Amino acid sequence: IAGITQAPTSQILAAGRRMTLRCTQDMRHNAMYWYRQDLGLGLRLIHYSNTAGTTGKGEVPDGYSVSRANTDDFPLTLASAVPSQTSVYFCASSDASGGTDTQYFGPGTRLTVL
Amino acid sequence: QKEVEQDPGPLSVPEGAIVSLNCTYSNSAFQYFMWYRQYSRKGPELLMYTYSSGNKEDGRFTAQVDKSSKYISLFIRDSQPSDSATYLCAMSVDQGGKLIFGQGTELSVKP
Repeated sequence: IAGITQAPTSQILAAGRRMTLRCTQDMRHNAMYWYRQDLGLGLRLIHYSNTAGTTGKGEVPDGYSVSRANTDDFPLTLASAVPSQTSVYFCASSDASGGTDTQYFGPGTRLTVL
Repeated sequence: QKEVEQDPGPLSVPEGAIVSLNCTYSNSAFQYFMWYRQYSRKGPELLMYTYSSGNKEDGRFTAQVDKSSKYISLFIRDSQPSDSATYLCAMSVDQGGKLIFGQGTELSVKP
């Protein structure tokens, strides 16, 4: 089934540890995004990539890094996790070459930093 | 002040009711308006997409955009328990541009 997969589904992490959240899409979309969702704050954009080899900062990029080595994969890395990074993380992709520019979301990763 | 404001609810209605969900925004440059539906412990999925002002209808769902008032609405007719979810508005300046989301409204439709 075409779509976006994220791993892990959930994770409990000690503060100070490094963590990479994985995201893979098989729709050949050129644009990919990482959001975090927190109660009362909605979805906030962390980083995005308009095409393989390029990335950009969103609304809340501090403490996170991304890479886009190919079209399908867009990993998000927390270099040294802090408790304020406890959240649900969603990866999304879109075919931003025209049309309705629908963003398709993955199932999310629930991350708890203790 | 957030660029997009949405009442988080929760909103509880009986089955068959008409539901009205709303968002206000401050950036007059927004041109593309969307409503996403998010079931519990799932990712959001696009429900409605509207460009500029006007109405768009899809089955029991109607999206309205009033750019003069910087106000968008989603109406659900004959609401069903399966409509119970969080509804997020989103908007962007350019097609393909970054989306700004509202906080989401949690809706519960009781049988």
